[in-house]
Order: sequence, then C-alpha cells, then structure tokens
Amino acid sequence: GNSVTQMEGPVTLSEEAFLTINCTYTATGYPSLFWYVQYPGEGLQLLLKATKADDKGSNKGFEATYRKETTSFHLEKGSVQVSDSAVYFCALSDNNQAGTALIFGKGTTLSVSS
Amino acid sequence: DTEVTQTPKHLVMGMTNKKSLKCEQHMGHRAMYWYKQKAKKPPELMFVYSYEKLSINESVPSRFSPECPNSSLLNLHLHALQPEDSALYLCASSHGGQVETQYFGPGTRLLVL
Repeated sequence: GNSVTQMEGPVTLSEEAFLTINCTYTATGYPSLFWYVQYPGEGLQLLLKATKADDKGSNKGFEATYRKETTSFHLEKGSVQVSDSAVYFCALSDNNQAGTALIFGKGTTLSVSS
Repeated sequence: DTEVTQTPKHLVMGMTNKKSLKCEQHMGHRAMYWYKQKAKKPPELMFVYSYEKLSINESVPSRFSPECPNSSLLNLHLHALQPEDSALYLCASSHGGQVETQYFGPGTRLLVL
C-alpha cells in the first residue's frame, strides 16, 4: 500500500542554519505530494505542494522537489528562524478525486534556538 | 480565501455528556473530513463526506456520529465518550479536480473527564 516515511526527529538547529527534513514515499501511479506545518497549539497549514515529477514547491523560504527516481520530497530551507519551530508533516494523495484521504508521515519536530 | 473554521476551540466534557463539534467552509469545496490527532502523532482519518454523502468511515466507534447538513457545514456529534478520546479534532475540506489539496481548520481540543 501507499506510505510516507519521514526522518525521525526532533531536529534541533541554531537560527540561520540550513534545514533538511527527509521524506520518501511509496505509491503506485503519480501521487501529489505535500508538506504541512503545525505550530504549537494550532491546526495544520499547507506549506507547499507538488503534483508531478520534477515540480518544485516553495513557500516562505521552504522548498521541496518531487523526485520520482528516488521517490523523495525532501524539505529544505536555507536559513531557519526561531519562528519556524513546529512539527512538519510530509503527505501524499494518490487520487485527484474529491474525498481522497491523505497519507501522512509520522511528523518531524523542528526546534530552532537563537 | 482558504479558511476552514471550527467551533468550539476547546471543549471539556464528562463521559455522560452529549456535545457537538462544528466545522464550516465557504470555498465551495465538495469534500469535508474529520481527523483525530493525538499528541506528537499525525492526524488519523475518521470520516469523509464527498458531495454531502458519507464516503469513508474508518471504523470509528458509534459514540462519534458525523453529519453533513449542507455542502458548507460538517458536524461531529459526541456521546458517551471515553477519556482516551481526548485529542485534537481537525476538520478539513478539499475541492477535488486537478489537484486534491486539503485545507485544515484550527481544530477543537477535546478533553474527556
């Protein structure tokens, strides 16, 4: 079946450090891929997405490229801020029909200190 | 506008109470979802409504009862809950079509005593 695997956290960085959170997936066909962020005490916010191979999603300085050959969608940011401290979830959707469930990774907690 | 609203933000209830969670979206989305999220875990899908019809029920206990009165509203009726049902309950919606992107509400934090 379809699945998403994320690197285990927590990830602890100093402000302005480079961030990579690894995400790989298993899916048949051509899934859409997403990164969601959850700040403490809040719901999930869509951070970025990509819908086909070699697409790059980007938002708020974060980027991720859909790599079909390595079945990966790693999240990167060149210079993290304290305000980026949150839990990051990689997810896939294997169907473009309304009502298709998302498949989530386990989440990676990022803690950034000043 | 990609806003999904949920009320209440917090809810404390006893095991004999009946309460309801509400979710609303005005983006014209045709699918709405309920998820349950425990601390430090990803969201777990509970129910999916597609075009106002229940399309997925992930073997959720009958003490949780979903309702979709119209395409903009989604309710979750709670009755005789257990303390282990304490969690963050998230609502989401999606349009479908070319890219199926789900947008989440802020959640209702439920505590069952």
